[in-house]
Amino acid sequence: KQEVTQIPAALSVPEGENLVLNCSFTDSAIYNLQWFRQDPGKGLTSLLLIQSSQREQTSGRLNASLDKSSGRSTLYIAASQPGDSATYLCAPGNTNAGKSTFGDGTTLTVKP
Amino acid sequence: GAVVSQHPSWVICKSGTSVKIECRSLDFQATTMFWYRQFPKQSLMLMATSNEGSKATYEQGVEKDKFLINHASLTLSTLTVTSAHPEDSSFYICSARWWEGYNEQFFGPGTRLTVL
Repeated sequence: KQEVTQIPAALSVPEGENLVLNCSFTDSAIYNLQWFRQDPGKGLTSLLLIQSSQREQTSGRLNASLDKSSGRSTLYIAASQPGDSATYLCAPGNTNAGKSTFGDGTTLTVKP
Repeated sequence: GAVVSQHPSWVICKSGTSVKIECRSLDFQATTMFWYRQFPKQSLMLMATSNEGSKATYEQGVEKDKFLINHASLTLSTLTVTSAHPEDSSFYICSARWWEGYNEQFFGPGTRLTVL
């Protein structure tokens, strides 16, 4: 059974800092890995999708890397802004059926 | 593109009643949809995988007779919580898979269910 751990559980930084969110998973036989953002009381917004054959994906100020063999992924956020405040979830997908396992998330607060 | 909607966004019902939640992919066809529930300050737990035209596959511990899932078309899946009880109060979120092979999930905005 896949287990996903996200560290840290919470993070508070001043605006403008670069930061790294970590995700580790126990079963490296994944098909892909997605990073999501969730605002309080809202659904999930897909940020980045990394296929198992890829090492990283970039979108704007976000960069996600994947090391499948070691069971790790990181989400790098550059020049953080207060609008980045949210909970960030990673979800490795284990099968072609698309089933994903979610970590508990990292709650990020960016202070102006 | 890749928009998923849910209706209703929130619902309050009395214990013992049934509640239906709709999940629609607005601008793409989704052969597979997923239903999750999320308790406060916890992560998402997959309840079931819904495939168009076939029976849903439920995760271990999820009562299929209590959480009825129907995926009648490529753009609509419904979750019916039957004989709801206060412990069923939760945030229910659906997702739809873009298309075979690409495997990216797009999530709906969620439905907040409160059972009195």
